[in-house]
Amino acid sequence: EVQLSESGGGLVQPGGSLRLSCAASGFTFRSYAMSWVRQAPGKGLEWVSAISGSGGSTYYADSVKGRFSISRDNSKNTLYLQMKSLRAEDTAVYYCAHERDSSGYFDYWGQGTLVTVSS
Amino acid sequence: DIQMTQSPSSLSASIGDRVTITCRASQGISNSLAWYQQKPGKAPKLLLYTASRVESGVPSRVSGSGSGTHYTLTISSLQPEDFATYYCQQYSGTPLTFGGGTKVEIK
Repeated sequence: EVQLSESGGGLVQPGGSLRLSCAASGFTFRSYAMSWVRQAPGKGLEWVSAISGSGGSTYYADSVKGRFSISRDNSKNTLYLQMKSLRAEDTAVYYCAHERDSSGYFDYWGQGTLVTVSS
Repeated sequence: DIQMTQSPSSLSASIGDRVTITCRASQGISNSLAWYQQKPGKAPKLLLYTASRVESGVPSRVSGSGSGTHYTLTISSLQPEDFATYYCQQYSGTPLTFGGGTKVEIK
């Protein structure tokens, strides 16, 4: 059974940093691209970033480019999102998502972790 | 970037009703479209991919169609568990983009 479990969310001041983690199990982690998708309170879904199975290719939404960094440790079956220079508009639930066969759509999602950027 | 426009943004329907949600892309996406269902406080759930392929375990009352820039999700006979918010997502190109969502409420 595929399981994705995010952690690392919390309250952070504007301009601060935070690192999210997503622990994966139930599949061959290194074989699959993964993404982070966020959802601001009461709003829709926004794709944030993606990384290939090897970690060699990364992609970002313009809204986070230069501030966020996606990475993975295939030996630990863990996905990361390093977030810097956080803004109030980054406040959201952050989901990690498993991409089916490098297709671009997501068949498994974690339960999400809430990031609140506020002074 | 490919913009995805969903309509309506919300609808009220009764049990047994046929419901159709539309998603329009700002350019052709060659059926690279997925639909998700999300209930309050929960992660999205994949319903359809490649515009019309039904994910395993999804009831047969759910179907998808479309081509080019125009796609639809149809629920043939609305059931209590179908009241939720639905999102389309294009994966024809990056950035991946979602529609704004359609909230299906009980009439």
